[in-house]
Formats: sequence, C-alpha cells, structure tokens
Amino acid sequence: DQQVKQNSPSLSVQEGRISILNCDYTNSMFDYFLWYKKYPAEGPTFLISISSIKDKNEDGRFTVFLNKSAKHLSLHIVPSQPGDSAVYFCAASARGSQGNLIFGKGTKLSVKP
Amino acid sequence: DTAVSQTPKYLVTQMGNDKSIKCEQNLGHDTMYWYKQDSKKFLKIMFSYNNKELIINETVPNRFSPKSPDKAHLNLHINSLELGDSAVYFCASSPRALGGEQFFGPGTRLTVL
Repeated sequence: DQQVKQNSPSLSVQEGRISILNCDYTNSMFDYFLWYKKYPAEGPTFLISISSIKDKNEDGRFTVFLNKSAKHLSLHIVPSQPGDSAVYFCAASARGSQGNLIFGKGTKLSVKP
Repeated sequence: DTAVSQTPKYLVTQMGNDKSIKCEQNLGHDTMYWYKQDSKKFLKIMFSYNNKELIINETVPNRFSPKSPDKAHLNLHINSLELGDSAVYFCASSPRALGGEQFFGPGTRLTVL
C-alpha cells in the first residue's frame, strides 16, 4: 500500500519552461514533506522541503506547494535547465516516526535543450 | 571531503554467502539509516540508529544485521544471501531522528548470483 504516490513515471520539458512534478499522499499523519533529486549511480540529494504548517516554500528556481486538504504537493522548477534532468523523489514523514521517510517511486524529468 | 560514504560501490556474490557493506559519515550527525531500493525503484527504510542505538527496524529478515561501532559508522551485514537481496542499498544520516533532511551516500549495488 503506497502512502506516497508519484503517478507520472516520466516528464519531458523544454529548456526554459516550467517543470511541474506531482505527488499525492494518503497518510494524514504526515507533517513534513521533502523532494530529492537523484542522478544515475548517485545517492538522492535533498532539494527542498515543506512543513505542514505552510502551503508554499521557495528556494531559487524551486518552489514546493502543499495542499493539505487534497493531500497533494507539487514541485515547480522555473526555468528548467538541462542539468535538472534527473529522477525526482517525493518523501514524507510523520511526527513521532523518528525520521522514517516514506518515498514515492520517483518521476524521471528530462529537460531538452 | 565526502559527507556520507559507502564501500563497496558494487558487490557481486554468490547465493548463500555472507557480505558486509560499510557506511561512514563525517557530518557529525547523530542518526544513520539504511535504505533498500529494489528493482521496482521503491526506496524503503530498513534500519535507523540514533547515537548507536537501534530506533527503527522495519520488517527485514533477520539475515540483515546492522552494526554501529560508533556514531559515525553504520555497517550492514547480510548472512546467507538470497537472489531477492539484489538491490541498491543506500546509507543516510541526519542531525537527529525527528524527520527532516537526510543526507544519502552514493549507494552500493548488490548483485546475488
């Protein structure tokens, strides 16, 4: 039973345009959400996070939006660059879970020049 | 100056063998984790140690035994390897076991023949 779902296995975007990656979750106890980026043969690297008390967090070209009522979050990358091509994982944790991150299956983003 | 390192990066072995994967972090973090990424690309937590004490132990066969000689190291020992153990294993660390950002190692690809 997947508690964190990324329903799009892949996404292709033109350089300079916006990339929108989506993530849905089912566990209402989740209170912290993270996005990780992963290149082939490397470990995931942290990108941006958001607490459930917020609905938006921005860091440079990356913005994460959280819609708690819909149990949905999204990552916006503007403008997209070829170096952004990677697999993006959504992850969530619940208060009291002692750092147990539940990951989605990932979305492979390809940014074409 | 690698933050979280794992050795070896690749490990090919026969069924029934015993093998170990080592992990070290130089970030001064209190908490370390082991994750398994299976063939379906799901990244799932296996174990978590906080200050050398086991705090998370997901449903993992007891053939897998983590060992934390000190706060900076968390090794994974696997006995009687099976075909289904083939996966990429990631070590991670975080400042504390309260959720939040985790820093991942580069992964160890284990292939059991």
